[in-house]
Amino acid sequence: AQKITQTQPGMFVQEKEAVTLDCTYDTSDQSYGLFWYKQPSSGEMIFLIYQGSYDEQNATEGRYSLNFQKARKSANLVISASQLGDSAMYFCAMRKLGSGTYKYIFGTGTRLKVLA
Amino acid sequence: GAGVSQSPSNKVTEKGKDVELRCDPISGHTALYWYRQSLGQGLEFLIYFQGNSAPDKSGLPSDRFSAERTGGSVSTLTIQRTQQEDSAVYLCASSSLLVDTQYFGPGTRLTVL
Repeated sequence: AQKITQTQPGMFVQEKEAVTLDCTYDTSDQSYGLFWYKQPSSGEMIFLIYQGSYDEQNATEGRYSLNFQKARKSANLVISASQLGDSAMYFCAMRKLGSGTYKYIFGTGTRLKVLA
Repeated sequence: GAGVSQSPSNKVTEKGKDVELRCDPISGHTALYWYRQSLGQGLEFLIYFQGNSAPDKSGLPSDRFSAERTGGSVSTLTIQRTQQEDSAVYLCASSSLLVDTQYFGPGTRLTVL
């Protein structure tokens, strides 16, 4: 069975510093996608970044990058130059790729607080 | 609108009553997902639609929960005989098959008294 583990329930980071949010996953599938979402206090889930299991390069989107270590089954999110607006819950998620598979598995999330 | 919309934004109901939650996906998105998020928890998958059919409804917690989608667009999640443990935020998301990214609505906060 697929599983996502986020071991950091809460994190603090100083404004303008970089922060890494951990995500490990468990799957026996060969083809899968990994996602990170941000959920501000308003409640809406915002897609941040995607990494496919066959992608050779780590994904990057602006200040977000995904440190993908396939052998370790980890997909950590790195936020560079943290901003106060980055304070939110962050969820890691996974989905098996291929026909007939649609379920996303989410981790329990990490609450990030950026300090001024 | 450009995004996923959900209604109502808040719903307070009495135990035993039925409720209907609505989701309007992004125009043209063929895939639609329902999730439940209990306070301080991650997202729990409920059901997935591709067009009007639901290939995966494995996450529905009990037969009190049902969902339908009509015209490949709007979806309704119905909870019959609500229980206090049904209290949660119900999130809807849609995606295009061309781009495997879900776009979420603002959610419906359901409170069962």
